[in-house]
Amino acid sequence: KNEVEQSPQNLTAQEGEFITINCSYSVGISALHWLQQHPGGGIVSLFMLSSGKKKHGRLIATINIQEKHSSLHITASHPRDSAVYICAVEGVQTSGSRLTFGEGTQLTVNP
Amino acid sequence: ETGVTQTPRHLVMGMTNKKSLKCEQHLGHNAMYWYKQSAKKPLELMFVYNFKEQTENNSVPSRFSPECPNSSHLFLHLHTLQPEDSALYLCASSKRVVNTEAFFGQGTRLTVV
Repeated sequence: KNEVEQSPQNLTAQEGEFITINCSYSVGISALHWLQQHPGGGIVSLFMLSSGKKKHGRLIATINIQEKHSSLHITASHPRDSAVYICAVEGVQTSGSRLTFGEGTQLTVNP
Repeated sequence: ETGVTQTPRHLVMGMTNKKSLKCEQHLGHNAMYWYKQSAKKPLELMFVYNFKEQTENNSVPSRFSPECPNSSHLFLHLHTLQPEDSALYLCASSKRVVNTEAFFGQGTRLTVV
């Protein structure tokens, strides 16, 4: 079992829909990252959070440390949001950065 | 554009070839990383460099040899690879190694034939 589990693995939505992607993890963390990977491979960091909630445009990320769970929400989804969304956790350690990644959620937003 | 540039974007090499992947950032970051992304698998950390010093080697076979001549450049030297090494190789950089946002390159799609 992976230390980081994402759900769903695949998600298809219609333009304008509200989307939620979930991430659960089983280890103690110092931070959680949400990343976006477009076809072709490039990865963009969306959020880094260790508590509470962050918002950037139509994207919202929340984290519940006690429940070891995070969600990424997309409001008013658009076809350009189609990508793989990856959750990654940063372990509690003082040397090196060991990000552990989920398998990703493939999101397709249809017009 | 994340500020991290990888070359080449695509590479096809035979099992007896020697090639190198290059990563460059001018973001003033002190930490650089190599990741491997195989089909249908999560990203895997390969190496971490902090202030040009290797701080992590995630049990990577010796046919992958990293080099970090300065904080702005990172190389991955490849030799006698196997077909199962075909994957997307991603470079990333960050200001420091903990609790910091990582900036990724576009990756090098490597095919070993």
